This record gives sequence, structure tokens and C-alpha cells, in this order.
Amino acid sequence: EAGVAQSPRYKIIEKRQSVAFWCNPISGHATLYWYQQILGQGPKLLIQFQNNGVVDDSQLPKDRFSAERLKGVDSTLKIQPAKLEDSAVYLCASSLLGQQSTEAFFGQGTRLTVV
Amino acid sequence: AQSVTQLDSHVSVSEGTPVLLRCNYSSSYSPSLFWYVQHPNKGLQLLLKYTSAATLVKGINGFEAEFKKSETSFHLTKPSAHMSDAAEYFCVVSALSNAGKSTFGDGTTLTVKP
Repeated sequence: EAGVAQSPRYKIIEKRQSVAFWCNPISGHATLYWYQQILGQGPKLLIQFQNNGVVDDSQLPKDRFSAERLKGVDSTLKIQPAKLEDSAVYLCASSLLGQQSTEAFFGQGTRLTVV
Repeated sequence: AQSVTQLDSHVSVSEGTPVLLRCNYSSSYSPSLFWYVQHPNKGLQLLLKYTSAATLVKGINGFEAEFKKSETSFHLTKPSAHMSDAAEYFCVVSALSNAGKSTFGDGTTLTVKP
């Protein structure tokens, strides 16, 4: 079974530039999550999709972050413009229907450095 | 509301000795609890999960955890540490009645000395 695919693995940009990350979840997984993991901290949920609808985006900084999952499969997360404090690993995960007893499978993440 | 507190940011053990990583949680709902491991430059891997069945949960690589509702704890243990156990460990709480939203602790770094 193929895992959650993310690209790119690493990205370095200057502040005020824009950047986009891509995620392809495990086939058949209706729920997709984007997390931000700042160095030394646990992952923090940014947004949760169920199919192509947003379930929770309460912690997404909507003035600069956006995410979409147009066809209910793969997803993109965009930051525009980036700030220094956006330097982090961005993790994508997927699960079956978001049920509490269902494991979330994580991609390897995209490490973003904003300089 | 829900939250997770991992009581130790760093734990160091000698190879062959027991491992204890402590986790306390808070949840207004009936929670599910998970432990994930993260090796350097690798993705998060599920070690074990509690979902309202048996309170003693066995996971991969010899790890286990016990759900204690009265203490709101879900500590992770292993009888004998191996060098390959050195990694970052995360305790996670989620609840279906909270839209399945998962909340992570800040992690515990486990160091294993030869």
C-alpha cells in the first residue's frame, strides 16, 4: 500500500515570498489533515478536510495560509506571503472518514525555511 | 476542549533498562489516545492506540501503554530499551465528538545509551 506522498521535501524561501506544498493521501482515505510542526513542538492541526469539504480550519492563519482539496483527493497548502515564523515542517496525514478509532497515516513532511 | 501534557521533554536510559514516557490528557469527550514515534527525517509512525476497549494496550516493537481514567494518564512503557528506540515520541488525544480532531503533546526525546 502506497503511503501519504508529499512534495517537496525541503524548501527555502525569502520572507514575503509565496510557497505551495502538495499532498497525495492514501487511496480511499476521505479525511486529510495538514499539520504545522515547529522545531521542539508537537504537530499543530492547521486544517482538516472530509472529502473536499473543510471540517476544521480554526487554527489556520487565513490572512496568509490557504488550502484546497478540489476533487477530494490530493491537496495543496499555500502560504502567501511567508514570514520568518512560518519556518517549520508541514505534515500531511490521511485517515478513513476521520473516525476516532482510525489511525492517521503521515507523510514525511515538507521542511520549510524562511530566511 | 482537549489537551495533552507530556511530562518529560527528555528521557535518557541505558540499553536493556526499562523505558517510561509519561502522558497526561484532558478531554471533555470520551477520548481515543495514541502514541506516535518519529525518527529523524522520517514520518510519524503509530506505536499503539486506545479506543475504549482494553485499558492495557500493546503496540509494536514491545511498547505498551495503560489507560487510567482516574489519573487521566496514558503512559508508554517498554521493559528493555534498544538503541533503535532512540527517537521523538508523541502522545495524542482525539475524540469523535470533537470532529475527530487530534491534539498532540510537545513530545519526549528518548535517548538510549550503550
